[in-house]
Amino acid sequence: EIVLTQSPGTLCLSPGERATLSCRASQSVGSGYLGWYQQKPGQAPRLLIYGASSRATGIPDRFSGSGSGTDFTLTISRLEPEDFAVYYCQQYGSSPLTFGGGTKVEIK
Amino acid sequence: EVQLLESGGGLVQPGGSLRLSCVASGFTFRSYTMSWVRQAPGKGLERVSGITSSSGSTYYADSVKGRFTISRDNSKNTLSLQMSSLRAEDTAVYYCVKGGTGAPFDYWGQGTLVTVSS
Repeated sequence: EIVLTQSPGTLCLSPGERATLSCRASQSVGSGYLGWYQQKPGQAPRLLIYGASSRATGIPDRFSGSGSGTDFTLTISRLEPEDFAVYYCQQYGSSPLTFGGGTKVEIK
Repeated sequence: EVQLLESGGGLVQPGGSLRLSCVASGFTFRSYTMSWVRQAPGKGLERVSGITSSSGSTYYADSVKGRFTISRDNSKNTLSLQMSSLRAEDTAVYYCVKGGTGAPFDYWGQGTLVTVSS
């Protein structure tokens, strides 16, 4: 099983600042099958990034993903008020498909 | 517009059973692997089950193996999860999700809450 470790657990930032979220895998993620999801309170998760770096439909370009192998990053270039949420990474390349524990981005 | 509409959640006693359903629309349901993902209160995400497009292959997390059964009816665009021998630790919001191995989880239902308590 691929274990995904996200850091930091909580990120305290102000609107307009840059957010950098990390996701580290216990073994290489096949074919770059790494996704990032955003979840707001009381809502279902929403796909932001797939294939490590491709933005999903309708996702603003302030969200970007990078990385390969075992180290992946989600960057939000300038935080908007609606971006404060919990972010999860997920590998969907090998069963069991697994999620990281999440990073909460909160307002400073 | 893709829509996934879950139903069937509720309060059930330990040891009881419940059947969740998900009706899909807005895409060619029969062509895609589907999954159930759950989220316990205040916790993270766990994929509990998945089924390939033609039902040829299924997946169950160890935590639910032998107790949950996933199925689909492609003629009715419906995904189901039969849950039995329910435990307190099965309490969670259950999401119907389009996606599986090799495919990102690109669409999620709104979720249905299952509470296992006496």
